[in-house]
Amino acid sequence: GQSLEQPSEVTAVEGAIVQINCTYQTSGFYGLSWYQQHDGGAPTFLSYNALDGLEETGRFSSFLSRSDSYGYLLLQELQMKDSASYFCAVNRDDKIIFGKGTRLHILP
Amino acid sequence: DTGVSQDPRHKITKRGQNVTFRCDPISEHNRLYWYRQTLGQGPEFLTYFQNEAQLEKSRLLSDRFSAERPKGSFSTLEIQRTEQGDSAMYLCASSPRRGGHEQYFGPGTRLTVT
Repeated sequence: GQSLEQPSEVTAVEGAIVQINCTYQTSGFYGLSWYQQHDGGAPTFLSYNALDGLEETGRFSSFLSRSDSYGYLLLQELQMKDSASYFCAVNRDDKIIFGKGTRLHILP
Repeated sequence: DTGVSQDPRHKITKRGQNVTFRCDPISEHNRLYWYRQTLGQGPEFLTYFQNEAQLEKSRLLSDRFSAERPKGSFSTLEIQRTEQGDSAMYLCASSPRRGGHEQYFGPGTRLTVT
């Protein structure tokens, strides 16, 4: 089987930096994806790490350590519109398995 | 708008009725996925297709659920003899890439079983 662990909620201040951690246990691991979902909306693909290291896309960066079965999503220069749920998801066997998500609250 | 459409957006049905949902993926994507999502949870994998072939079906999916993708384009998800526990958001996604890690989701169909 597989399992993913991420904090259920995180709170940060507008303009700050926040890190959302994800640990996973799975067989046949290919990579780790991150998705954003606003209330009432559909998940939106943010980033994917197949190899160890940091991937940067604008204000968002994602990190993977395969040896530690650990990854994180880093959001910089937080904006109010970043208030959403963020899901890590393991990629295996041509599909992805989602975690339960982290609700990000941003304070003005 | 990702280019993936789903119909209907909302469906209210009585317990025991059958319902069918449709998904139109991005045309050049050969992989199509169905998920179910309940409040406070991540999307739960149901099944997926590569072109018209259904390659995997979740063990959590009962025999009341069936999906098709007859010509490798649009897909339908049917739930027979609906139960109140089937109430959820049903999401469809398509992917252009082998591995399926980059998926584009439709807006979902919200099913309420009364």
